[in-house]
Amino acid sequence: KQEVTQIPAALSVPEGENLVLNCSFTDSAIYNLQWFRQDPGKGLTSLLLIQSSQREQTSGRLNASLDKSSGRSTLYIAASQPGDSATYLCAVSNSGYALNFGKGTSLLVTP
Amino acid sequence: SQTIHQWPATLVQPVGSPLSLECTVEGTSNPNLYWYRQAAGRGLQLLFYSVGIGQISSEVPQNLSASRPQDRQFILSSKKLLLSDSGFYLCAWIGTSSFFGPGTRLTVL
Repeated sequence: KQEVTQIPAALSVPEGENLVLNCSFTDSAIYNLQWFRQDPGKGLTSLLLIQSSQREQTSGRLNASLDKSSGRSTLYIAASQPGDSATYLCAVSNSGYALNFGKGTSLLVTP
Repeated sequence: SQTIHQWPATLVQPVGSPLSLECTVEGTSNPNLYWYRQAAGRGLQLLFYSVGIGQISSEVPQNLSASRPQDRQFILSSKKLLLSDSGFYLCAWIGTSSFFGPGTRLTVL
């Protein structure tokens, strides 16, 4: 069974810092990997999707990388802002269907 | 564009009472639909998924059930709620992209 782990569980940084969130998974035979953002009490918003054949995806200040062989992905956030404060979730699909989620990293960016 | 609606937004129910949560999808046809639950301190747990009308796959044996009476409607039910059913329930459409509904916060007392 696919296990997804996210480190750290929580992170607090001052505004303007660059930061990296980590995600690891146990089964490297993945279909794709996604990063989501969840604001308190809200649903999930998809940030980036990386297909198994890809190494990275970029959207604005966000960059996600994928290393299938080592079972790792990172989400890089450049020049963090208070509005980036949220929980970030990593999810892996092994079949193109259901997603297996990590427990998330709770990010707080202080002004 | 794709939109997922869930209701109710919040629900407080006594132990042993029935449950019905509804999810409807706009902007697509024949979507693969999913119910996830997010409990405090835990990750998102897949409960059910459906690839079409009347087709339900259960991932976790429990006192919950799901139904898909129409192409874009997915319902989560229970005949008798348990305290452990408390959590945040999310409906999702997962295909080449993923879309999640706003969720239902269920508290069982």
